[in-house]
Amino acid sequence: EAGVTQFPSHSVIEKGQTVTLRCDPISGHDNLYWYRRVMGKEIKFLLHFVKESKQDESGMPNNRFLAERTGGTYSTLKVQPAELEDSGVYFCASSQDTGTLYNEQFFGPGTRLTVL
Amino acid sequence: AQSVTQLGSHVSVSEGALVLLRCNYSSSVPPYLFWYVQYPNQGLQLLLKYTSAATLVKGINGFEAEFKKSETSFHLTKPSAHMSDAAEYFCAVSDHSAWGGGGNKLTFGTGTQLKVEL
Repeated sequence: EAGVTQFPSHSVIEKGQTVTLRCDPISGHDNLYWYRRVMGKEIKFLLHFVKESKQDESGMPNNRFLAERTGGTYSTLKVQPAELEDSGVYFCASSQDTGTLYNEQFFGPGTRLTVL
Repeated sequence: AQSVTQLGSHVSVSEGALVLLRCNYSSSVPPYLFWYVQYPNQGLQLLLKYTSAATLVKGINGFEAEFKKSETSFHLTKPSAHMSDAAEYFCAVSDHSAWGGGGNKLTFGTGTQLKVEL
């Protein structure tokens, strides 16, 4: 079974440009998460989808970030316009809803975003 | 609010030596705790988890961790390091108190880079 995939693996853009990151979760996983790691710092939660609905977007840094999950399958995270401080590694994770308190999150390899 | 502190951003051990990576947490509810490992160019992989069952948790690749409530710690250990253990390790706590729809966002520490020397 394929794991969580993310595209692109690397993106280098200039300040002010737009970038769209994509995440394909494991098939059948209703929960999808986005996290971000700025260099040298901790991995921080951005938001959580349950199917196509945003369950928790408390970690989104500002309104330059827009996440979507149309149809409850893959998700995109758009940054517009990008700023220097948006550079980092963006991770996506997915989990199944097992009806229990704990559902293991499976992570993708991340997208390394560099804003120049 | 929950938080995780990992002491030591870089740890170096000799092959065959004990590995000890430290993690302390803060949580307003009984925590679920995790250790993840990231190898170069790969995603985070779950090593082990504590979800309120046995306090000594065994994971993959010979790693284990002990939940100590009195010390608010969840340190990761391995008796004998192998070259293949060189990676970055992350401790995390889950906000399962806000569970809804099966979700449980993770709060991570800053990570510890483990180097294994011959």
